[in-house]
Amino acid sequence: SQTIHQWPATLVQPVGSPLSLECTVEGTSNPNLYWYRQAAGRGLQLLFYSVGIGQISSEVPQNLSASRPQDRQFILSSKKLLLSDSGFYLCAWNLDRKSIYGYTFGSGTRLTVV
Amino acid sequence: QKEVEQDPGPLSVPEGAIVSLNCTYSNSAFQYFMWYRQYSRKGPELLMYTYSSGNKEDGRFTAQVDKSSKYISLFIRDSQPSDSATYLCAMRDNFNKFYFGSGTKLNVKP
Repeated sequence: SQTIHQWPATLVQPVGSPLSLECTVEGTSNPNLYWYRQAAGRGLQLLFYSVGIGQISSEVPQNLSASRPQDRQFILSSKKLLLSDSGFYLCAWNLDRKSIYGYTFGSGTRLTVV
Repeated sequence: QKEVEQDPGPLSVPEGAIVSLNCTYSNSAFQYFMWYRQYSRKGPELLMYTYSSGNKEDGRFTAQVDKSSKYISLFIRDSQPSDSATYLCAMRDNFNKFYFGSGTKLNVKP
């Protein structure tokens, strides 16, 4: 069966520090991978998606970047965190962008920038 | 105007009550509708999905879509404390883009 792992679960970082969140998927090949941010009262915001190694699409211009060095690995990064980067970050996957089922989400990373 | 509107709650009900959760949307092109359940400090998990208008039932859960009113609902019968979570509606447009509601927090009291 497929599983998705996300870490760390919680992170407190000072303003201006770098960020690296990692997500891996097991039990499948060629998944579409997504990074979402969930802010209180604002729903899920799609940040990046990737349909293959090295292929990254950005939905929202921001202080963050994403990379996909391996088929089942997706990394969210920042060189210098801002207070506004605080939120709950979710990695997700599916096999078909046309999937009517949406996504399978990871357990999320709660990021607090102080 | 947001694409998807959802009352954030919180909604507090006694155990055994019937719960009604709702979303409205503005894009008439939405064809696929989903409900996710999200427990505290966890990622959302798909609960139900429906296509176009109509009802779909799965155990104690019923999803209802009224495209003419641009309104979707999730009904939970015989609610249990384990149903306490945040429920997010989601919709997909013709360009395979998903839109999520902000979630309704439900608390079922024993």
